[in-house]
Amino acid sequence: NAGVTQTPKFRVLKTGQSMTLLCAQDMNHEYMYWYRQDPGMGLRLIHYSVGEGTTAKGEVPDGYNVSRLKKQNFLLGLESAAPSQTSVYFCATNFPYQPQHFGDGTRLSIL
Amino acid sequence: ELKVEQNPLFLSMQEGKNYTIYCNYSTTSDRLYWYRQDPGKSLESLFVLLSNGAVKQEGRLMASLDTKARLSTLHITAAVHDLSATYFCAVDGVGGGSQGNLIFGKGTKLSVKP
Repeated sequence: NAGVTQTPKFRVLKTGQSMTLLCAQDMNHEYMYWYRQDPGMGLRLIHYSVGEGTTAKGEVPDGYNVSRLKKQNFLLGLESAAPSQTSVYFCATNFPYQPQHFGDGTRLSIL
Repeated sequence: ELKVEQNPLFLSMQEGKNYTIYCNYSTTSDRLYWYRQDPGKSLESLFVLLSNGAVKQEGRLMASLDTKARLSTLHITAAVHDLSATYFCAVDGVGGGSQGNLIFGKGTKLSVKP
């Protein structure tokens, strides 16, 4: 039982490159989220999904896209990476009104 | 704008001492969450407070919620080094609990020294 698994754990990109972060969960949770965590800023919601095939914007969605084609997977895409997107990215999942379960994070550096 | 403010943001304590972390929020949420994060690690759920006057305790940590004052507290009793971590509070964001998204405070970094 892996819970919430994020892939990759670390990545270094050059400005302008694209990449996709994968979040996979085996808890059958309906809701999934992508956050970014920056020093002194806490966690900020990028995008979220309340079910397969649905997505919604969070607090800081610009520069990111997401897809939830399967219930267990939530993908976060950076089409053209910028240094301002250097951060630690966390995926989280839950049932409605329940605490969120977080993955271990993806540390992304953009040079 | 929905805001969640924690204070203090940094807290250095001696072992054996007591202290309280405060979490003020600007929404009308009746539900508040506390999470713990160890350095370089993920977030772990500590408490969910579901109504006004709710109090929950786990070991040396006790959390309470006053929805009228829009205030939650996390009280640390007789701190030990193992409690060193960053503590976050969070409330329901836009759409309330039905949407699931949370607004987090910036976190309180707690360091317990011998």
